[in-house]
Amino acid sequence: EADIYQTPRYLVIGTGKKITLECSQTMGHDKMYWYQQDPGMELHLIHYSYGVNSTEKGDLSSESTVSRIRTEHFPLTLESARPSHTSQYLCASSAPQRGGTDTQYFGPGTRLTVL
Amino acid sequence: KNQVEQSPQSLIILEGKNCTLQCNYTVSPFSNLRWYKQDTGRGPVSLTIMTFSENTKSNGRYTATLDADTKQSSLHITASQLSDSASYICVVADRGSTLGRLYFGRGTQLTVWP
Repeated sequence: EADIYQTPRYLVIGTGKKITLECSQTMGHDKMYWYQQDPGMELHLIHYSYGVNSTEKGDLSSESTVSRIRTEHFPLTLESARPSHTSQYLCASSAPQRGGTDTQYFGPGTRLTVL
Repeated sequence: KNQVEQSPQSLIILEGKNCTLQCNYTVSPFSNLRWYKQDTGRGPVSLTIMTFSENTKSNGRYTATLDADTKQSSLHITASQLSDSASYICVVADRGSTLGRLYFGRGTQLTVWP
């Protein structure tokens, strides 16, 4: 079982609200990621970080922002939520493994619904 | 265009039966291929990871195969259990970037009936 946590697990909010999705890991991993997943669809990378003070946008355009002030913490913020942001958000972290690969460990996800 | 295609999209089998899930990819240059299991409402959990030089890897009742020449992989589940009901996701990593970009399939939704 991976030591990566996300809160809240479920969130229902109204349009225009500011929200922050929390993600933390206790494995000391440098790399962290945020993915967006709609039902029956593939995961899309929206943000990633190589380490403290490093953040990059992923493949899928997102109006969210992230920060990485501490190694273990990688929160995602939506300044003004809209119904189009309704989705599942998955946080992951990874560290290099033998052979040059790195296994990503995923959190349980946050199911966000914007009314 | 999704560079990782999985089939079937969904599958129903009876408890105790075996099944095989397929994954075809076009990702290049190839680094490694992973299979994940995702329970409903949960994050994916890694089952196997194979590099170019590996053509089979097992994890308990799960056995993954890789044919890097034809760019195909399969996940075989032996003696299925009710707890195997989940989405199985094939993920291919490229080695063309420092990040080691991952390409995700849409998953095969497996349902095991008693």
